[in-house]
Amino acid sequence: DAGVTQSPTHLIKTRGQQVTLRCSPKSGHDTVSWYQQALGQGPQFIFQYYEEEERQRGNFPDRFSGHQFPNYSSELNVNALLLGDSALYLCASSLPGLEQFFGPGTRLTVL
Amino acid sequence: QKEVEQNSGPLSVPEGAIASLNCTYSDRVSQSFFWYRQYSGKSPELIMSIYSNGDKEDGRFTAQLNKASQYVSLLIRDSQPSDSATYLCAVNGGWSGGYQKVTFGTGTKLQVIP
Repeated sequence: DAGVTQSPTHLIKTRGQQVTLRCSPKSGHDTVSWYQQALGQGPQFIFQYYEEEERQRGNFPDRFSGHQFPNYSSELNVNALLLGDSALYLCASSLPGLEQFFGPGTRLTVL
Repeated sequence: QKEVEQNSGPLSVPEGAIASLNCTYSDRVSQSFFWYRQYSGKSPELIMSIYSNGDKEDGRFTAQLNKASQYVSLLIRDSQPSDSATYLCAVNGGWSGGYQKVTFGTGTKLQVIP
């Protein structure tokens, strides 16, 4: 049973660039949530996708956008990167209302 | 007041002792509660889920929930150096309107001293 997968593992970008992160949910899961985790902090909710729609967004600017595909996989896009966007980006999948399982994360460094 | 509060630690316990990790939450309608373990540089790993008041045991781990006091805890018996990690408390507000709200605490760093 494949767990949650994310790509790439690491990414280095410069300020102003754009980045796309990808996530494939655990088999059977249809809900995908994205989190940003800065060093020493808990995961901060970015947004959640269900039935290919963004259902809820956390306190993140419009530079952060996403998409969910019919196979439930998801992308997170960040435009106009800032130094402060450097973090571990986590994807979590679940069935509606149940436990979330995390992927290995993508470490984004913005120079 | 933060929605989910944890003592950041570090909590240091000797090997073989019981580690007690605590979490309080502010939303009274929260329905389920999770503990995740996160090793440095890695992603969170789900170790316990608890849905009703009382204790839930799984191996060396026991989760305790008291909804009246809005308090959830994790006990780790016979602590091992491999238990050294940050433990995240997560509170699930349930599924409403096609959305599941899960809020994480900042985590408690546990150090098990050999």
